[in-house]
Amino acid sequence: LAKTTQPISMDSYEGQEVNITCSHNNIATNDYITWYQQFPSQGPRFIIQGYKTKVTNEVASLFIPADRKSSTLSLPRVSLSDTAVYYCLRPDYKLSFGAGTTVTVRA
Amino acid sequence: DAGVIQSPRHEVTEMGQEVTLRCKPISGHDYLFWYRQTMMRGLELLIYFNNNVPIDDSGMPEDRFSAKMPNASFSTLKIQPSEPRDSAVYFCASSVSQGRNEKLFFGSGTQLSVL
Repeated sequence: LAKTTQPISMDSYEGQEVNITCSHNNIATNDYITWYQQFPSQGPRFIIQGYKTKVTNEVASLFIPADRKSSTLSLPRVSLSDTAVYYCLRPDYKLSFGAGTTVTVRA
Repeated sequence: DAGVIQSPRHEVTEMGQEVTLRCKPISGHDYLFWYRQTMMRGLELLIYFNNNVPIDDSGMPEDRFSAKMPNASFSTLKIQPSEPRDSAVYFCASSVSQGRNEKLFFGSGTQLSVL
């Protein structure tokens, strides 16, 4: 079963932009890519979803190239409160979250 | 909307005891999911329901685990008998069917400790 692949961890400093790339080869024609954020002691929270090109909301931007084999979540000007685990999901029979990317923002 | 509500927030029990976790999905959502999260295995899907009917329970670890959804506003996950390796955070999530592109809404989870 095809899955997504993303880095295990990323470190950043306050005020920087953080970009997390997720690989999702063989994504189906009608499938969207969805990203979730999880803070310690909380359940994952939906942050953004996209199909192609660029999607932006108040939390993040999502870039999906024309071949749709990958996507990049962009967090602009991160703060300490953006420290969390970020999951990239493709529609999947088991909606598997995987290990996600642990983003640590330092002062 | 109050969101997905789970209870209890924390549960400490002894090995061999029965444990029941509860979930109230968001009103109007027709999918309900139970997940388990541990450091070793991450976030695993245990079972999910559509319109109160179990669709896939292949993630349930073994026969000690059972889940029910008697109506659209309530679901339980039961472990009997419980074992120390069942210690984890159990999350319930719900969603509205969007043709494979569902957005899941998670509860705050139940932290289960089996001694």
